Amino acid sequence: SAVISQKPSRDICQRGTSLTIQCQVDSQVTMMFWYRQQPGQSLTLIATANQGSEATYESGFVIDKFPISRPNLTFSTLTVSNMSPEDSSIYLCSAETGSRGTEAFFGQGTRLTVV
Amino acid sequence: GENVEQHPSTLSVQEGDSAVIKCTYSDSASNYFPWYKQELGKGPQLIIDIRSNVGEKKDQRIAVTLNKTAKHFSLHITETQPEDSAVYFCAASNAQGAQKLVFGQGTRLTINP
Repeated sequence: SAVISQKPSRDICQRGTSLTIQCQVDSQVTMMFWYRQQPGQSLTLIATANQGSEATYESGFVIDKFPISRPNLTFSTLTVSNMSPEDSSIYLCSAETGSRGTEAFFGQGTRLTVV
Repeated sequence: GENVEQHPSTLSVQEGDSAVIKCTYSDSASNYFPWYKQELGKGPQLIIDIRSNVGEKKDQRIAVTLNKTAKHFSLHITETQPEDSAVYFCAASNAQGAQKLVFGQGTRLTINP
């Protein structure tokens, strides 16, 4: 399985500010994904990030709020912009990798609290 | 779009007994069904997956079954141990591989010693 590292692991932020979450994979991957997990809830896909192209956002998520970068095959960032308390969640990075190249592995998550 | 329903939301079993978690999906085009285990403060860990061309898959104490006709799949854990206590999520995808995973609501499994 792949090793996926996220930074920061947690943060407390003031409303109106922005936070950038970094995700590093220990191998080159084509597809990376960003998910949101609200407290005690399931995971919801925010967007898919392919290297060299614009991220593809799911319904309900927009680029202005969640800009994503994918500068190379091992790294991606998600920015949560102009934060409000409703953005308090766990943000998870995922990569499609594994022995068959078609399994999704997750980072440990970034626990964001907006006050 | 795809919708995945997972039951039960909580499950408590005695150590050594078996646990079964069930999921149903709505999109008949879905072809990949992974199961994840999430421990407190950690990211989801892939524990087993099954693709639509297979009806059953087993890995030691864990097995997954798939009924494409009924559009449901289940996770079976035998000889449960305290370390099996966690939240389990099923997911489904109709894309190649693990893209666009749609997750169930999760099952909190507690193993009582």
